[in-house]
Amino acid sequence: GQQLNQSPQSMFIQEGEDVSMNCTSSSIFNTWLWYKQDPGEGPVLLIALYKAGELTSNGRLTAQFGITRKDSFLNISASIPSDVGIYFCAGRGGSNYKLTFGKGTLLTVNP
Amino acid sequence: DAGVIQSPRHEVTEMGQEVTLRCKPISGHDYLFWYRQTMMRGLELLIYFNNNVPIDDSGMPEDRFSAKMPNASFSTLKIQPSEPRDSAVYFCAIAGGYSGANVLTFGAGSRLTVL
Repeated sequence: GQQLNQSPQSMFIQEGEDVSMNCTSSSIFNTWLWYKQDPGEGPVLLIALYKAGELTSNGRLTAQFGITRKDSFLNISASIPSDVGIYFCAGRGGSNYKLTFGKGTLLTVNP
Repeated sequence: DAGVIQSPRHEVTEMGQEVTLRCKPISGHDYLFWYRQTMMRGLELLIYFNNNVPIDDSGMPEDRFSAKMPNASFSTLKIQPSEPRDSAVYFCAIAGGYSGANVLTFGAGSRLTVL
């Protein structure tokens, strides 16, 4: 089946720094999604990408759908303490509605 | 998690007991998904429904797991008998309707511990 490799697994940064994380797939995806999960909660959608090359921003967050359709990245600019959490990429290929999730990137922001 | 209510939020049970997890979608949707999250395996899709009909249950670990969706406002995931390796956080998620089928809205999850 489809597999996603998300990196890095964890990041420890200082407040104000920029952050970058990415996902690569073993197969082509039609949709890339980025979610954030806070402790004790379910993942919440941050950005959805639907076309190869698409670059989308949501406040301080920017994500891109790779040209090869096998990768995506998420950037967070000027990090703040509330950015702490686990960030997941998710992708969908084919005509079904099954999303494959990456293992997540744990982000810690030191104030 | 305004679109999905899950219960119980936490459950601790002993091996061999039956466990029933519940999901109540509040907002409009066409699809309902059950995911399991563990440290080792991350988020895994167990089963999903379209218009209350099970479409793909290939992620259900074994026959001890079953899921039902008797109507658009209610779904259950049952484990019988439960085993320690079933300990995980189980999420219900919905999609479709106004948000479109690609975007999943997750509930807050049910944390299951099997002793």
